[in-house]
Amino acid sequence: DAGVIQSPRHEVTEMGQEVTLRCKPISGHNSLFWYRQTMMRGLELLIYFNNNVPIDDSGMPEDRFSAKMPNASFSTLKIQPSEPRDSAVYFCASSLDTYYEQYFGPGTRLTVT
Amino acid sequence: RKEVEQDPGPFNVPEGATVAFNCTYSNSASQSFFWYRQDCRKEPKLLMSVYSSGNEDGRFTAQLNRASQYISLLIRDSKLSDSATYLCVVNAGYSSASKIIFGSGTRLSIRP
Repeated sequence: DAGVIQSPRHEVTEMGQEVTLRCKPISGHNSLFWYRQTMMRGLELLIYFNNNVPIDDSGMPEDRFSAKMPNASFSTLKIQPSEPRDSAVYFCASSLDTYYEQYFGPGTRLTVT
Repeated sequence: RKEVEQDPGPFNVPEGATVAFNCTYSNSASQSFFWYRQDCRKEPKLLMSVYSSGNEDGRFTAQLNRASQYISLLIRDSKLSDSATYLCVVNAGYSSASKIIFGSGTRLSIRP
């Protein structure tokens, strides 16, 4: 059974570059979540989608961050331009619906130098 | 007051001990509750859902106290492999727009 798939697993980029993180949710799941985790701030919900529609993006830090879900099997989180303070682990999770248990992908470890 | 609060720990207990931690939530309308565990440098993994009647899975027992607005996790006969951070999750409703909040986690360390 394929779980949530994220790519890349690691990304190192220079400040000012565009970064795109990708996520494939579990087939049949209607809800998809993007999180960011750092030692200082813990796990933060950035945005979530239900049936491909963004429901709550209040956690997106600023306009440099954007997320899309063009279909039920794919989502992207884009940072443009990236800054060193964006360095974190970004997790994608999916669930049958927003109030069900979530299943997390392995995360993308982003380092911005 | 934070919407979901957990004692950050660390809880440092010997192997074989019983350990329990709580998670308090502020929204009385909260409907679904979960415990996750997260190992260092790994993703959170679902440990168990928390039902109104309480539920047990092997050495793990989860309880919900709606009157006092907290959930608890009890681990019996703790193993070295139980060392991890335990996150509680509270979901404010049963609609697609319901708010999902993760606690900041409780660190547990089991010593031989």
